[in-house]
Amino acid sequence: QKEVEQNSGPLSVPEGAIASLNCTYSDRGSQSFFWYRQYSGKSPELIMSIYSNGDKEDGRFTAQLNKASQYVSLLIRDSQPSDSATYLCAVTPNFGNEKLTFGTGTRLTIIP
Amino acid sequence: DGGITQSPKYLFRKEGQNVTLSCEQNLNHDAMYWYRQDPGQGLRLIYYSQIVNDFQKGDIAEGYSVSREKKESFPLTVTSAQKNPTAFYLCASSFERQGVYEQYFGPGTRLTVT
Repeated sequence: QKEVEQNSGPLSVPEGAIASLNCTYSDRGSQSFFWYRQYSGKSPELIMSIYSNGDKEDGRFTAQLNKASQYVSLLIRDSQPSDSATYLCAVTPNFGNEKLTFGTGTRLTIIP
Repeated sequence: DGGITQSPKYLFRKEGQNVTLSCEQNLNHDAMYWYRQDPGQGLRLIYYSQIVNDFQKGDIAEGYSVSREKKESFPLTVTSAQKNPTAFYLCASSFERQGVYEQYFGPGTRLTVT
């Protein structure tokens, strides 16, 4: 079983709709969760971090964490063509641990 | 301008040659990391360093070497022992805030070995 799993996609969403990206992880003790956006040919960019169960909102982005079910999701409201990218989920095993484990990413395409 | 720089952006080498990739940061971050990314795969950790003059192997350290002589710099050498060196190499740095490390990436170096 992979430590961090994501659906590779591609996920196609009409412009203006909500894009929903999911990630599951195997280590129940994981504490810190991150979403990175990576445009084709570019490096990953940190867009959201979440550490507690529930929702965390930042502009059009909402991260959701459910530790009991071991999943973390990213919602993008009012999707724009500029949101078309690969989204990487990353997890650290415990607080104070500087190592990240990445999923393979979900490719998102916003259709105008 | 604060940030992480990697040079060069593209690098071409012949098989059997060692090559060194540069990574510099002026963010005053303590920890630095090297990852490689292959098509269709996630990022895999090669080496990381929490403080000057100390570093640890990641998941795929074989065929690579690093040094950390200055806080700002963490160069990666890809040796001839690395069997599949062609990849996108990413350097990152992080700082600790309340037990959490948020990692930020440089622009990357795309290495092609033929």
